This record gives sequence, structure tokens and C-alpha cells, in this order.
Amino acid sequence: DAGITQSPRYKITETGRQVTLMCHQTWSHSYMFWYRQDLGHGLRLIYYSAAADITDKGEVPDGYVVSRSKTENFPLTLESATRSQTSVYFCASSVLGLGEQFFGPGTRLTVL
Amino acid sequence: AQKVTQAQTEISVVEKEDVTLDCVYETRDTTYYLFWYKQPPSGELVFLIRRNSFDEQNEISGRYSWNFQKSTSSFNFTITASQVVDSAVYFCALNSGAGSYQLTFGKGTKLSVIP
Repeated sequence: DAGITQSPRYKITETGRQVTLMCHQTWSHSYMFWYRQDLGHGLRLIYYSAAADITDKGEVPDGYVVSRSKTENFPLTLESATRSQTSVYFCASSVLGLGEQFFGPGTRLTVL
Repeated sequence: AQKVTQAQTEISVVEKEDVTLDCVYETRDTTYYLFWYKQPPSGELVFLIRRNSFDEQNEISGRYSWNFQKSTSSFNFTITASQVVDSAVYFCALNSGAGSYQLTFGKGTKLSVIP
């Protein structure tokens, strides 16, 4: 199906484990983004990518790593998960940097 | 620095009432874009509208309308004849391209439409 998908949709892990959240879009959008949504903080940007092999930090990048070897994929890795990384993670994509961003369905991550 | 303020945390209306959701923004950039997103109880984020800073014309789409006023730095959203399906959290957001093209979101307004 066309659009933007995220996997897994739900994940429970333990402190210290490595976790990778996947994001895939079929529109060939240049820009991709990772946000986290937390009560009291709203949505905050973790990392973004303007094109394949071009990534940069957002507002809250600590503890996260991204890569973008292909235009359609933008995985987010938590190298050593902490409880403070319990959140809902949204991936988004956009044709233009200032264009509307289309969001995936989200991944609810719980770190025990 | 960019900032978006949605002062209304929660609003409840009875079905068929009109409701306006307020959004006030701050930016030093002269070129910027404003957005509204809807997040229903199922959790996804649904894009509703994008407006640029040079276009102050009001926008109407069905029961939805948006009022953009640069003089007051506001971009308010009105739902006419509200329906139960409009119950959701609505987010206003700003993007000026400063640095990361990130959307700066307000904290959201939770709208409950009571049948």
C-alpha cells in the first residue's frame, strides 16, 4: 500500500537494550522526520533527513541514531534504551522542507 | 525561537454547535508556514491545512474554516456544526525552515463533541 508505514506498532523492551524503529514511505519524498510525543511536551523533533545520506539533529537527539541509505527508509535506533525514552514515536515525510508533513501511524515504545 | 501557543487545553461542545480553536504563534522569520493537524483517539496525525505567511485569505473546507491574521499572530480554526467524529486533539504547528524544517507544535486542544 502507498503511504508511510512504521514497524513495530508496539514494542516493550528493557533498559539497556538496543531497539530499532522502522519507517518506510512509498512517495519518494525527500524529507523525512522522527518525532516523539510525550504528555506535557507535545511533539518534538528527534532527527530529520533532507535526502538519502543526509541527516541532522533535531531538538532532542541524545540517545538516538538514524541512518538513511535509501530514500524510502529512515530507521531510528535507540542504542541503549532508557526509561525516559518511553514514548510514542512518529515518522513523517514531506516533499518540501516547508511542505506539509505526512505522518506514519506511530510506534508506542515502553522501556521497562 | 519559534513558539506556538494553544491556550485552550480542553473544550467540550454539544453536537451541532460551532467551535473555534485558538492558535497564537511567535517567529522572527518573515517567511513561514502554519499548519493544523488532527489526532483522533486512534492516535494517527492527520494533516488538515497549510498556509504560508504571505497569504492571509481565510480558507474554508466544508465545515472547517481557518482565519489567519498576521497582525495578531493568530491562526484560528473553526468547526461549524460540530459532529461527534470531530472529537480529537487538534494541533497547530509552525515551520519557518530555521535549521531543521521541523514543525514546532502547540500543546494541542482536546475537543470533545457531546451527542
